[in-house]
Amino acid sequence: SQQGEEDPQALSIQEGENATMNCSYKTSINNLQWYRQNSGRGLVHLILIRSNEREKHSGRLRVTLDTSKKSSSLLITASRAADTASYFCATDASAGNNRKLIWGLGTSLAVNP
Amino acid sequence: DAGVIQSPRHEVTEMGQEVTLRCKPISGHNSLFWYRQTMMRGLELLIYFNNNVPIDDSGMPEDRFSAKMPNASFSTLKIQPSEPRDSAVYFCASSLGSGGYTQYFGPGTRLTVL
Repeated sequence: SQQGEEDPQALSIQEGENATMNCSYKTSINNLQWYRQNSGRGLVHLILIRSNEREKHSGRLRVTLDTSKKSSSLLITASRAADTASYFCATDASAGNNRKLIWGLGTSLAVNP
Repeated sequence: DAGVIQSPRHEVTEMGQEVTLRCKPISGHNSLFWYRQTMMRGLELLIYFNNNVPIDDSGMPEDRFSAKMPNASFSTLKIQPSEPRDSAVYFCASSLGSGGYTQYFGPGTRLTVL
């Protein structure tokens, strides 16, 4: 079952603009991760934010987490054409012996030069 | 490190044939995951292993699918017999552990069943 739901499903912006993607989830989590997938490639980990963290930065990426609203956002600043990809959130809601990430359906980002 | 290695990268087969997908995880990683990705259903976890032992195979569609991990450096996903609806991209990923650890994905195998 899908835990994370990204929105929007698709986003088209101009190079240099900021892109914001959101992820909502349903149950309590240990951490939330964002991944990028370029067309025809495997997913690549971008950033992990723990449940006791509210904001994290990595280069042009900024991730926020609001556990009261069960939501996270990924902000890409000063976007580049190379940022064109699909972005997925994955939540770790592991408990007991069964420990796995639950994946959203992704946001498709197109950055136009 | 070479990353997660998958083979073949592309596979085209006819309905009813057996298909075997292969994966070599990153050395030192204890967990291995098999995923299937389609436009309609997104990324689905099929099965995952911890220390070569299958932990959760609830995502395996049906008995036609089977997975093995005979040792820490090799896993296979087999489909027998294959059907057109099995057409998808199959990813293998590995991590230091299950749960909230970062997963490292292979390049995927694009399977087409005619």
